[in-house]
Amino acid sequence: QKEVEQNSGPLSVPEGAIASLNCTYSDRVSQSFFWYRQYSGKSPELIMSIYSNGDKEDGRFTAQLNKASQYVSLLIRDSQPSDSATYLCAPGGATNKLIFGTGTLLAVQP
Amino acid sequence: DTGVSQDPRHKITKRGQNVTFRCDPISEHNRLYWYRQTLGQGPEFLTYFQNEAQLEKSRLLSNRFSAERPKGSFSTLEIQRTEQGDSAMYLCASSSLWSKEAGALTGELFFGEGSRLTVL
Repeated sequence: QKEVEQNSGPLSVPEGAIASLNCTYSDRVSQSFFWYRQYSGKSPELIMSIYSNGDKEDGRFTAQLNKASQYVSLLIRDSQPSDSATYLCAPGGATNKLIFGTGTLLAVQP
Repeated sequence: DTGVSQDPRHKITKRGQNVTFRCDPISEHNRLYWYRQTLGQGPEFLTYFQNEAQLEKSRLLSNRFSAERPKGSFSTLEIQRTEQGDSAMYLCASSSLWSKEAGALTGELFFGEGSRLTVL
């Protein structure tokens, strides 16, 4: 079992729709969770962090965490073509480092 | 610019040559990380420092790779006797130990632009 699993995609959504990105992780002691956005040829950019079970909203982004299910998701409302990128999930825990998934490629169609 | 900076941004070398990358972290961050990323994969952890101490190295990391952070500020990553399989983007990231939001050890990493290595 991989430490962090994400569907590689591509996930294609029409402009204005909600994009839903999912991630499961295996380390039960993970306490902090991060979503990074990475445009092609660029470095990862932190867009969301979540530490407690439930939802956390920031603008058009909502992160959802369920530690019991070892599941974290990212919703992007009113998707824009500029949201087209790879989204990386990264749990952080006792290991003092982030382990990244392979990322989900999101394509927002105009 | 107060972000993480990396140099050089691009490096093309021949197999068997040595290469060195430099990373300057965000000044108030005491943790510095090196990751490697190849096409279609997420960043792969290589090593990290807390101040000048190297606290962890990936078990997958060849002994041809060495990293230093001599004064707890900038860091260098050296690859000796490069191989074509070393071709990748080498990412540096820094973080602080504490987050105001979490009130505890977190792990928010802020990445530099990366150093792309091509080994011919």
